[in-house]
Amino acid sequence: AQSVTQLDSHVSVSEGTPVLLRCNYSSSYSPSLFWYVQHPNKGLQLLLKYTSAATLVKGINGFEAEFKKSETSFHLTKPSAHMSDAAEYFCVVSGLKAAGNKLTFGGGTRVLVKP
Amino acid sequence: EAQVTQNPRYLITVTGKKLTVTCSQNMNHEYMSWYRQDPGLGLRQIYYSMNVEVTDKGDVPEGYKVSRKEKRNFPLILESPSPNQTSLYFCASSSVGAYRTDTQYFGPGTRLTVL
Repeated sequence: AQSVTQLDSHVSVSEGTPVLLRCNYSSSYSPSLFWYVQHPNKGLQLLLKYTSAATLVKGINGFEAEFKKSETSFHLTKPSAHMSDAAEYFCVVSGLKAAGNKLTFGGGTRVLVKP
Repeated sequence: EAQVTQNPRYLITVTGKKLTVTCSQNMNHEYMSWYRQDPGLGLRQIYYSMNVEVTDKGDVPEGYKVSRKEKRNFPLILESPSPNQTSLYFCASSSVGAYRTDTQYFGPGTRLTVL
């Protein structure tokens, strides 16, 4: 079984300040973890993924995430927020082929960037 | 360009009128899946397909059917739509590794309203 909890449903930051989106996961096996972003009225775009290589993963648009097995966390960060970062972000864990390769999504974190 | 396409993008229909949402990918992916997105619930898997003629239920399959007659296409069928199927629907595809799928790529979404 697997689950994902995004600890904040909404995050508000000022442009130029750091962004932190928190994600905890539960998985019976070594997981693959992803962060996707969804801009208003758009589809889902992959930001980054962790697949058991380096624990610090760099993604697009200056985002990065750190996999911490001991804390079962996969928090997403960006040093300096931009107005274009306003969107909804989803932390996702991928299941095994034997379990249908199901993606389990967190409930999402909506990011508001203030000028 | 590698992509997943869905049609239609927007659909308003009435209860009980059969409809089909098409999904097509041009990446020769074995795995395809349908998700629905509802506020506060993230994305939930409806059905998935490991390959041609191989489909299985996800978390919320009630009221939906799928078929996979060709590798590139994975239509979602609502035989008798009801208002609780009003949602935003996403199709996704990926290649499949030994133990799990690779990154899932999402279509642009289909916003369905059932009156």
